[in-house]
Amino acid sequence: DAKTTQPNSMESNEEEPVHLPCNHSTISGTDYIHWYRQLPSQGPEYVIHGLTSNVNNRMASLAIAEDRKSSTLILHRATLRDAAVYYCILRWDDKIIFGKGTRLHILP
Amino acid sequence: DAGVTQSPTHLIKTRGQQVTLRCSPKSGHDTVSWYQQALGQGPQFIFQYYEEEERQRGNFPDRFSGHQFPNYSSELNVNALLLGDSALYLCASSLAQGGNQPQHFGDGTRLSIL
Repeated sequence: DAKTTQPNSMESNEEEPVHLPCNHSTISGTDYIHWYRQLPSQGPEYVIHGLTSNVNNRMASLAIAEDRKSSTLILHRATLRDAAVYYCILRWDDKIIFGKGTRLHILP
Repeated sequence: DAGVTQSPTHLIKTRGQQVTLRCSPKSGHDTVSWYQQALGQGPQFIFQYYEEEERQRGNFPDRFSGHQFPNYSSELNVNALLLGDSALYLCASSLAQGGNQPQHFGDGTRLSIL
């Protein structure tokens, strides 16, 4: 399984945008880039995914580099509720291989 | 529309015992995956069920087994429990269409082994 590299932790101020980076230099052409997050005491929650083009939904935006070797999850206006562990994952089939993710701290 | 539901939410067992955890998938989903999450770690894939058969399996011993029923619900069974089996067990459901389908997770069963 192709691997991803994420910072262990990040901090951001409330009501400001947050850019969470992910490197995946060994990505293959059939790998989808998925982002999940896990809030305290909850199961992981799907955030967004894409293949080649940038994607937007009500939760976030996903910016994918042209060579697909990196991507960035963008939270447009962070709230305290966005404090969680964010996982960047490459998927080509139905299972998910989680890494350690980025722990995002939101400062009030 | 109910999401993924798991039962029980918490469970305490002793070493050597056996345990069964249950999962009801999100309505319309036909594939169920199970994950183990140790404290402070990311979830680890155990196995996946589709059409009542185990389709993929992670690096877990045969003490971990499962079942999927015709209504797509699923059970995870763990025999001969070890202290190291203490973890949060997560169930996720999806449509069986490969890497393009999100998985929807329940909030897990917290299993403690004494």
